[in-house]
Amino acid sequence: SQQGEEDPQALSIQEGENATMNCSYKTSINNLQWYRQNSGRGLVHLILIRSNEREKHSGRLRVTLDTSKKSSSLLITASRAADTASYFCATATRRGGKLIFGQGTELSVKP
Amino acid sequence: DTEVTQTPKHLVMGMTNKKSLKCEQHMGHRAMYWYKQKAKKPPELMFVYSYEKLSINESVPSRFSPECPNSSLLNLHLHALQPEDSALYLCASSFTRAGTTFVDEQFFGPGTRLTVL
Repeated sequence: SQQGEEDPQALSIQEGENATMNCSYKTSINNLQWYRQNSGRGLVHLILIRSNEREKHSGRLRVTLDTSKKSSSLLITASRAADTASYFCATATRRGGKLIFGQGTELSVKP
Repeated sequence: DTEVTQTPKHLVMGMTNKKSLKCEQHMGHRAMYWYKQKAKKPPELMFVYSYEKLSINESVPSRFSPECPNSSLLNLHLHALQPEDSALYLCASSFTRAGTTFVDEQFFGPGTRLTVL
């Protein structure tokens, strides 16, 4: 079964608003990563948070990790039309040697 | 150079054809991956190579045959595919440490859009 589940499946907001996406997973992890994918293109790595970290920032992105609840959130502040994309969380377990992707959130930012 | 390149960008093939997808990176990464992605779905891992050795095969049908000729190149050989194999095929690479299963951030190529008629 999928390691990561995301919600919402789709999110539509206006430019300038904040967007929050959530990811839940089932087993212990080594790290959790967030990726963005523009339509039909390759994935772009956004941020990696390790299991011993609780929060990480990168520009307009803020990621939190709660290992007790097995969940993570991605916050995009002051969104732009160019942020329109699919966002995936992916988990790396301690011995798995691979990433397992969540179902993704489709974000639409309207100008 | 932080780019992963994939060729071709698009491929249309019949069910009896043999074709190959190619992937190249020059970041010195020793882990390389093949993923399959259907529309509006997450990428599904197919194969992982670590230090040019196949380390993970996610029970992929034998009509898909991976090859890692050297540390910069990854191929996926296709033979006798089915229409349901039509998808976006993504290659990725990442840093790894020998003898470990550590998974770092992955760098993805733009993908090959495969259509099987």
